[in-house]
Amino acid sequence: DQQVKQNSPSLSVQEGRISILNCDYTNSMFDYFLWYKKYPAEGPTFLISISSIKDKNEDGRFTVFLNKSAKHLSLHIVPSQPGDSAVYFCAASARASGTYKYIFGTGTRLKVLA
Amino acid sequence: GAGVSQSPSNKVTEKGKDVELRCDPISGHTALYWYRQRLGQGLEFLIYFQGNSAPDKSGLPSDRFSAERTGESVSTLTIQRTQQEDSAVYLCASSSQGSMNTEAFFGQGTRLTVV
Repeated sequence: DQQVKQNSPSLSVQEGRISILNCDYTNSMFDYFLWYKKYPAEGPTFLISISSIKDKNEDGRFTVFLNKSAKHLSLHIVPSQPGDSAVYFCAASARASGTYKYIFGTGTRLKVLA
Repeated sequence: GAGVSQSPSNKVTEKGKDVELRCDPISGHTALYWYRQRLGQGLEFLIYFQGNSAPDKSGLPSDRFSAERTGESVSTLTIQRTQQEDSAVYLCASSSQGSMNTEAFFGQGTRLTVV
């Protein structure tokens, strides 16, 4: 049972354009969401997060949108840069339930073309 | 160091042998996580330690897998009688709980190859 789903395994975008990575979840108890970026042979690094009390969080070129009714979140990167090429994972946790356990999606490989 | 440290970085073992993987979390972090990533797959949750509470072992794939953590410090993931399907990168992460916007910080991982 995949509680966090990233249905697009890969995405290619031209440099300077917008990258949109999508994530769906099934557990309505999830109330905190994160995006991680992973380069080959490295551990994932935190990118941006959002609490369920918000519907948008922005940090520089990165914006995360949360649609609770649709159980959907997305990460927008604009403008995309070649250094953004990596695998992006979304993750969710149910903090109100007293746990900080993160459930990750399967990842989307982003390739930004120069 | 300031980050999560894992050792060894690479481990090749023969099928049937036991292995121990070590994780040194960031000092002061009360939560510690183990994940694994098999080739071409996502991050699979294994186990989660939260302070002095009983660990959440719901992700351990079989009774060959176990993990321990001493207080809020080092954790060891043990795989007994390794099988080829255990080959993966094992990732450890830690986080500081009790604040609003905490995220987990990952180590570089241990690449386990069972031959």
